[in-house]
Amino acid sequence: QKEVEQNSGPLSVPEGAIASLNCTYSDRGSQSFFWYRQYSGKSPELIMFIYSNGDKEDGRFTAQLNKASQYVSLLIRDSQPSDSATYLCAGDFSGGYNKLIFGAGTRLAVHP
Amino acid sequence: ETGVTQTPRHLVMGMTNKKSLKCEQHLGHNAMYWYKQSAKKPLELMFVYSLEERVENNSVPSRFSPECPNSSHLFLHLHTLQPEDSALYLCASSQDLGESRNQPQHFGDGTRLSIL
Repeated sequence: QKEVEQNSGPLSVPEGAIASLNCTYSDRGSQSFFWYRQYSGKSPELIMFIYSNGDKEDGRFTAQLNKASQYVSLLIRDSQPSDSATYLCAGDFSGGYNKLIFGAGTRLAVHP
Repeated sequence: ETGVTQTPRHLVMGMTNKKSLKCEQHLGHNAMYWYKQSAKKPLELMFVYSLEERVENNSVPSRFSPECPNSSHLFLHLHTLQPEDSALYLCASSQDLGESRNQPQHFGDGTRLSIL
């Protein structure tokens, strides 16, 4: 059974701090991982994807992938109250058929 | 209109009712998906369509019946639902099936379904 695990949170960080969101997965065959942000009552919005070991940076966001440890993370630098949302981690285990397995999400609260 | 649009946004129905959820994408995509999002649970993939052909039925009960009349529209017909079916139903689309990093999925805002 392929699984993606996330701590449900809430993760509470002060404004301006680095928020670190973590995700583990169970299938070594997975190739691509995605981070979505979902505000309450809204659609999941793609933030970043990563498929190579190491770091990938996009603005204030950095995704990290460690395939040996089966671990994916998302760092948000200079966290803002507007970053408060649920962050969904997803992996594509389907070998090229775009079928995503999602974690339950981590709720992030950035307080002023 | 842009993106993926779902209607209605909210739906309350009894267990014996028949209703339909509608999804329309304005992105020119060829693949469409239905997901179920229950409280505190991960998004669950229900159905996948590619070029109007169903390519995945993820062990979904027959009381959920999808329909994809063309690549822009996707329906989920509901009949004799159970209270545990209350959830947010999300539609997504991608350019095609294939490597997900090349075909990111775009989601609609969902239909919040409540079964009485």
